[in-house]
Amino acid sequence: GAVVSQHPSRVICKSGTSVKIECRSLDFQATTMFWYRQFPKQSLMLMATSNEGSKATYEQGVEKDKFLINHASLTLSTLTVTSAHPEDSSFYICSARTSGSKRELFFGEGSRLTVL
Amino acid sequence: AQSVTQPDIHITVSEGASLELRCNYSYGATPYLFWYVQSPGQGLQLLLKYFSGDTLVQGIKGFEAEFKRSQSSFNLRKPSVHWSDAAEYFCAAAGANNLFFGTGTRLTVIP
Repeated sequence: GAVVSQHPSRVICKSGTSVKIECRSLDFQATTMFWYRQFPKQSLMLMATSNEGSKATYEQGVEKDKFLINHASLTLSTLTVTSAHPEDSSFYICSARTSGSKRELFFGEGSRLTVL
Repeated sequence: AQSVTQPDIHITVSEGASLELRCNYSYGATPYLFWYVQSPGQGLQLLLKYFSGDTLVQGIKGFEAEFKRSQSSFNLRKPSVHWSDAAEYFCAAAGANNLFFGTGTRLTVIP
């Protein structure tokens, strides 16, 4: 099946720094990618929908200036957490959707961000 | 409003017992429906999906799900649970431009 690679899988950073997380579709082109965040013991929360070549669509309550999303190509979307704070520590997961009639979703393995 | 509901936050079953996880969706048309599993510390894995056709869908790891339009449900089932099935399970529905997840059901398997 299709594979979505997410990197890094774990990252620790200091408060105030920025962190970039990459999401790549390895064997298919994804015009649409999604970014999620998972809080401890809670469900996934959709943060934004990333469309190749256009601005991301953010869900209500998600700060677009803090969580910068760039979908520069059909196989790569990046999430940059700017000026990270401890409350940004979380598990971030991306997914990519195949094109065509089936619109299947494939998920990355997630990136655990810890902000000290 | 479009949504996916998983009424059970936590389910505990004995190993070898049968399992059913509930999922209800609210959508204007029939969405594409998915079940995912997330094991501790890992990402999501697709168990099965429904797009159209046969309403009983077979997935990996011995799971199946049945789409019931009249009940707007897509419940996940397994006839005999293994200890390794302990995880969190998410039901999701995809429309043309949206993706909705349920809040998840945590499954505990006791010996």
